[in-house]
Amino acid sequence: GAGVSQSPRYKVTKRGQDVALRCDPISGHVSLYWYRQALGQGPEFLTYFNYEAQQDKSGLPNDRFSAERPEGSISTLTIQRTEQRDSAMYRCASSPISQNSGRPGPYNEQFFGPGTRLTVL
Amino acid sequence: AQSVTQLGSHVSVSEGALVLLRCNYSSSVPPYLFWYVQYPNQGLQLLLKYTSAATLVKGINGFEAEFKKSETSFHLTKPSAHMSDAAEYFCAVSGFQKLVFGTGTRLLVSP
Repeated sequence: GAGVSQSPRYKVTKRGQDVALRCDPISGHVSLYWYRQALGQGPEFLTYFNYEAQQDKSGLPNDRFSAERPEGSISTLTIQRTEQRDSAMYRCASSPISQNSGRPGPYNEQFFGPGTRLTVL
Repeated sequence: AQSVTQLGSHVSVSEGALVLLRCNYSSSVPPYLFWYVQYPNQGLQLLLKYTSAATLVKGINGFEAEFKKSETSFHLTKPSAHMSDAAEYFCAVSGFQKLVFGTGTRLLVSP
């Protein structure tokens, strides 16, 4: 079946512009995660949703960053007034409900999309 | 708080040699541990995961990892390296659903 998809794959923008990054999770996956990966580093957690509810946004760097998942499927990560330091690979992942517990859990595999490479000039 | 430390940003092996990638974790709750692999220009792919069922975990492509609580380690091994194993490997810990990743180890395989 189809994996996690992200669009656009590449985004070049000028400092001060707003950008919206889209994530389409695997069908039926209830949890959706956003990570940011700088060059030469591991992915860094930003925020995640179970269904449409944002569970944890502690990783969002500041209030220029926001995310939503209004219908519990597609999610959008928005960065307002972009700065050069926002340049990175933005990765989305999704995971299913646990078959054992019937709930999302920390032990479920997260399936990652190909990422959006954001460059702020 | 949770964290992982991956020792060695680069590991070089010859084809056919043992692969050992090191990962140590810190967690305030019983950890779930993962190894992901990232090939160039691709997303991360799960190699294996530890969820407390068994301390020796077997994954895809001949990789395995052993959870050692006393050493807070979860090292990744493969008996015989293939050229196709050249990639970046990330260890991650999860206790509250989000993943905390290490900085990664790039595996280089020479013929």
